[in-house]
Amino acid sequence: AQSVTQLDSHVSVSEGTPVLLRCNYSSSYSPSLFWYVQHPNKGLQLLLKYTSAATLVKGINGFEAEFKKSETSFHLTKPSAHMSDAAEYFCVVRHGGGATNKLIFGTGTLLAVQP
Amino acid sequence: ETGVTQTPRHLVMGMTNKKSLKCEQHLGHNAMYWYKQSAKKPLELMFVYSLEERVENNSVPSRFSPECPNSSHLFLHLHTLQPEDSALYLCASSQGFSTVREAFFGQGTRLTVV
Repeated sequence: AQSVTQLDSHVSVSEGTPVLLRCNYSSSYSPSLFWYVQHPNKGLQLLLKYTSAATLVKGINGFEAEFKKSETSFHLTKPSAHMSDAAEYFCVVRHGGGATNKLIFGTGTLLAVQP
Repeated sequence: ETGVTQTPRHLVMGMTNKKSLKCEQHLGHNAMYWYKQSAKKPLELMFVYSLEERVENNSVPSRFSPECPNSSHLFLHLHTLQPEDSALYLCASSQGFSTVREAFFGQGTRLTVV
């Protein structure tokens, strides 16, 4: 069965410093992986996705993630945090085909950005 | 604006009330979903519709009743809810179920059951 584990429930960084949000996945087959962001009282917005093309994926707002099959990881990074990045981030795996193909969500990482 | 609109944004209802949540997508997608987001729990998939036909029901209590009259609209009818049903209910849509397809989410309805 496929699953994702977000290793940190909370991450706090200072504005202008790098961001690292960790995600490990479990899947029997080559998965598709996504990162979504959720700002307070808002829905989920897609940041980026990996679909077996380039292993380094660039997303919106300066975020990027690298798919590492050997480590079963898909960590999200950003070189320099901005106050507006404070939000909850979800790592998501999608595997399989047909209507049983589900998005499996991690438990989320709450990112705080200190001035 | 993601192209998926949910109404109302906030809803407070008593345990004996009947209410409905509405979702509309303007993306031409053919699959729609209801998710429940509770505090400190992963998103829970509730229902999946493909071409207006329900294809998945994840052991959701019968007090939640979905309806998909066409590919653009999805409803969640609520009756005799419990306080533990208080949560953010998110609607999403996608173009089919291909692995590479992401889902687009609405802003959610914050439901409080009193």
